[in-house]
Amino acid sequence: AQSVTQLDSQVPVFEEAPVELRCNYSSSVSVYLFWYVQYPNQGLQLLLKYLSGSTLVESINGFEAEFNKSQTSFHLRKPSVHISDTAECFCAVSEVSLADKLIFGTGTRLQVFP
Amino acid sequence: DADVTQTPRNRITKTGKRIMLECSQTKGHDRMYWYRQDPGLGLRLIYYSFDVKDINKGEISDGYSVSRQAQAKFSLSLESAIPNQTALYFCATSDTSDRFGEQFFGPGTRLTVL
Repeated sequence: AQSVTQLDSQVPVFEEAPVELRCNYSSSVSVYLFWYVQYPNQGLQLLLKYLSGSTLVESINGFEAEFNKSQTSFHLRKPSVHISDTAECFCAVSEVSLADKLIFGTGTRLQVFP
Repeated sequence: DADVTQTPRNRITKTGKRIMLECSQTKGHDRMYWYRQDPGLGLRLIYYSFDVKDINKGEISDGYSVSRQAQAKFSLSLESAIPNQTALYFCATSDTSDRFGEQFFGPGTRLTVL
């Protein structure tokens, strides 16, 4: 069975500062990895995903995440955050053979201050 | 118009009442899911359906039931609501043809059981 650990429940950061949200996973089989973001009063939306190939994946709004198989991590980073990046961020994992069964982490609240 | 809609968006009810949460989608997806979100616990899967005739229990199905009335509609019922079912509930959909299993979420229903 898979599991996802997000060690930081909250990450406060000032605008234009860099940020890293940590995600570690556990699985005995090959997995797909995802970051979903939930903006205030909205549902979750996919931010980026790692399926295969290049270990560094990027979103259209400047976030990136790197799959590190040896450390079983998929940390999310952004070099300069904006107020509008304030959101609840969820890391999720699914087995390659059971791609519909998403296992979510507990979430990290990214709070950007002016 | 939103692709995945949920009604109601907010509901306050009393212990013991029967409650139905509804989800509709216009994405043409065959797979639908119900999750609940609790602070510090992330999202947990309640039920999922891969087509109209296929219903499966998720991680936390006790106290809930579902009905897949059509490909586009998936309802979640609480037969006798209790206070610890107070949570934010999300419906999601995915497409069988998408082997990576990206899920698309509705805006959520905030349920309070007094």
